[in-house]
Amino acid sequence: GQQLNQSPQSMFIQEGEDVSMNCTSSSIFNTWLWYKQDPGEGPVLLIALYKAGELTSNGRLTAQFGITRKDSFLNISASIPSDVGIYFCAGPRGTGNQFYFGTGTSLTVIP
Amino acid sequence: DGGITQSPKYLFRKEGQNVTLSCEQNLNHDAMYWYRQDPGQGLRLIYYSQIVNDFQKGDIAEGYSVSREKKESFPLTVTSAQKNPTAFYLCASSRTSLLNNEQFFGPGTRLTVL
Repeated sequence: GQQLNQSPQSMFIQEGEDVSMNCTSSSIFNTWLWYKQDPGEGPVLLIALYKAGELTSNGRLTAQFGITRKDSFLNISASIPSDVGIYFCAGPRGTGNQFYFGTGTSLTVIP
Repeated sequence: DGGITQSPKYLFRKEGQNVTLSCEQNLNHDAMYWYRQDPGQGLRLIYYSQIVNDFQKGDIAEGYSVSREKKESFPLTVTSAQKNPTAFYLCASSRTSLLNNEQFFGPGTRLTVL
């Protein structure tokens, strides 16, 4: 079945550093979603991408829909302690409204 | 405020008992979903519903049951047949359009079987 591979699995960075993570799929997607999950909470949608090459920002977060349509990237600039959490990518499965979710990138920000 | 609510936040159950997790949304979304999350893993789809009175099995439906009698509500029952029910359960909802069909999640229910 479809697998979404997220990289890296975990990151430990100093406050103020920039962060980059990516997600790759084995098939072409027409949508990429990025979520953040705080410990013990539900995922919160950060950015939705609908077009190959699209670059979308949400505050310090920027996500890109890869040209090949098989990958997506999330960047966080000038990280702060509240950026801590798990970041998930998601892509559509089939023609319905279901999504595949990646296994997540765990981000730790050291003050 | 529009959103998705799940209750309770924490749930303890004795082995062999059925338990029902609540999920309500006031976003006027047609589709609703239940996921299970285990430590270090992504989200696995249990059941989903695209419309009232209809639902479909996801990837790990065994030992679970759902109902969709109202658009706003999609309760999940964890039955005694579920071999390893201790997990974090997440409910989500979305539109059913081809675009702008992002899923929005509730705060989750952590179920512990004693």
